[in-house]
Amino acid sequence: GAVVSQHPSWVICKSGTSVKIECRSLDFQATTMFWYRQFPKQSLMLMATSNEGSKATYEQGVEKDKFLINHASLTLSTLTVTSAHPEDSSFYICSARLPGVNTEAFFGQGTRLTVV
Amino acid sequence: QQQVKQSPQSLIVQKGGISIINCAYENTAFDYFPWYQQFPGKGPALLIAIRPDVSEKKEGRFTISFNKSAKQFSLHIMDSQPGDSATYFCAATQAGTALIFGKGTTLSVSS
Repeated sequence: GAVVSQHPSWVICKSGTSVKIECRSLDFQATTMFWYRQFPKQSLMLMATSNEGSKATYEQGVEKDKFLINHASLTLSTLTVTSAHPEDSSFYICSARLPGVNTEAFFGQGTRLTVV
Repeated sequence: QQQVKQSPQSLIVQKGGISIINCAYENTAFDYFPWYQQFPGKGPALLIAIRPDVSEKKEGRFTISFNKSAKQFSLHIMDSQPGDSATYFCAATQAGTALIFGKGTTLSVSS
């Protein structure tokens, strides 16, 4: 299957700092990527839909000024958690779908963010 | 409003047994129904998926059964193995939009 690479796999940062997470589609072009957040023993909750060359679409309740998403190319989307606080500690996962309708979605390996 | 309801929350099956996980959806516009397997600390991995024009799809030990009229679909894992112990998520989507996930089922296969 297609490969989606996410980096870093884990990061620890101090409260008040910003953290950038990268998501790359390695062997296909992804016009749309998705960012999810997962708390321990819970499901994946969609945060935003990232469209190449345009602004991301955020789900209700997700602060767009806190979670900055940039999709500058067909193979790269980034999520920046700004002014991180301990409550932002979570597992962040990106996803990309193959081009076309009703196509498979592939997920990155996730990023464990811990804010201390 | 939960668009995809998954049950059971947890499941214990003996090695060699059949694991069955069920999902129900509400949005009749959904047109793609995948199942994902997730191990601790890892991203979800696509296991098997089905589209509403078929009632069943089988890949190895994994089978999806789909009932369009009842708006339900299920995952059957035949000959369950300890290595199948993981969390399983059903999901649904329409026209290339983001996947909507069920709450997950933690499967434990005892040896």
